[in-house]
Formats: sequence, structure tokens, C-alpha cells
Amino acid sequence: AIQLTQSPSSLSASVGDRVTIACRASQGISSSLAWYQQKPGKAPKLLIYDASSLESGVPSRFSGSGSGTDFTLTISSLQPEDFATYYCQQFIGLTFGPGTKVDIK
Amino acid sequence: EVQLVESGGGLVQPGGSLKLSCAASGFTFSSYSMNWVRQAPGKGLEWISYIDTSGTTIYYADSVKARFTISRDNAKNSLYLQMNSLRAEDTAVYYCARDSVVVDAFDIWGQGTMVSVSS
Repeated sequence: AIQLTQSPSSLSASVGDRVTIACRASQGISSSLAWYQQKPGKAPKLLIYDASSLESGVPSRFSGSGSGTDFTLTISSLQPEDFATYYCQQFIGLTFGPGTKVDIK
Repeated sequence: EVQLVESGGGLVQPGGSLKLSCAASGFTFSSYSMNWVRQAPGKGLEWISYIDTSGTTIYYADSVKARFTISRDNAKNSLYLQMNSLRAEDTAVYYCARDSVVVDAFDIWGQGTMVSVSS
């Protein structure tokens, strides 16, 4: 089964910071990767699909890149509403990464 | 409004059974594959089951295989998860999630229903 790892597991950042989260697959998955944002007590929300395509309605400060085994989610300028946990998901076996919690420095 | 609403969660004893439902509205339910995803308290997301539009193709995570059964009723716009032989480690919020037709993503999620397995 394909495993996903995320780094870091958590990070502290300030409003306006550029934030980068990495997701690595244990074997190549082409571009079959999505990113989600989850806030406490809420359902996950789709941000990025096909590794780099922005879901409709998602702010352009979010971007995704990568293919094969290495992927990145970038928030270009962190906003107060972006403090949340972020998960990647691969679509060969549908598994999720363990998540990256972004909190306020 | 496109919406998924889960129901059926609650407290059940170990070894017991529970059936979750997910009611879909605002879209043509029969055109979408569906999934169940769970999240144990304080933990990450775990995909547990997939069903295609007709109910012909079904997948399960190893953690629930042979204990859980996914099904759907397209006439009732509803998705189900029959959970048997429940264990303490099945305690989680259970979400239903729509599989996007055109891209690899779960594009619509329900609000979740809590299942607690405890004596």
C-alpha cells in the first residue's frame, strides 16, 4: 500500500508568512494528489486537486506543486483564517497523510 | 445547495452494531461515487470505504474489511455504512464524502456523525 508522509507535523507561523508543507509518497503517484484544510470541529475542505489545480472558490494564496513522489502545498501569505490542519491524500489507494498543523506563532 | 448530511451515530458497546446514513441533496447522487472517511478523536483522517455509482465496485480499508459494509440507494439519494463487531478503536467521527466526477478529489463532505464504542 502507498504511504504518505508529511513534514513538518506542525509549524508555528505569523500572519503574512510564506508557509510550505511537504507530502511524500512511498511510490510514484503521478499527479494523483489532493490537499485539504480542516479546522477544529469541522469537515475537511478541498483546496487543491491533481497536485496543482486550485479548487473553485479557494484563495489564490494557496498553491500546490509536484508529481511522482514529492509534493508541496504553499500558502504565499498566511491569513488568520488559514490556521488549521492540512492533509494530503493520494488517489491510487485513497489514503491520507498524517496532517500538518499550522498555528499562530 | 449541494449537501451531505450524516446520521445514525451514537454510543454502542464493543461487539455491537450500528448503521450510518448519509443523505445527499442538491446534486444528482446517482452520478457520483461515494466514500466514508473517519477521524478518531485528536487523530488524522482515515479513508475506510468507497462505492461506485451503481454499487458494483466497492473497496474497504484493511482496518474495517469483513466488519463494515457500504451500500447506497440511488432512489433515496442515500449512502449507508453498516458497522458490525465494533471495537473501541472504531470510535471516531464518520464523514461521508463525494468523489469528484472529473478529478481526483473528495469535493463535498458531510458534517460528520460521532460513533463511540465503549462499555
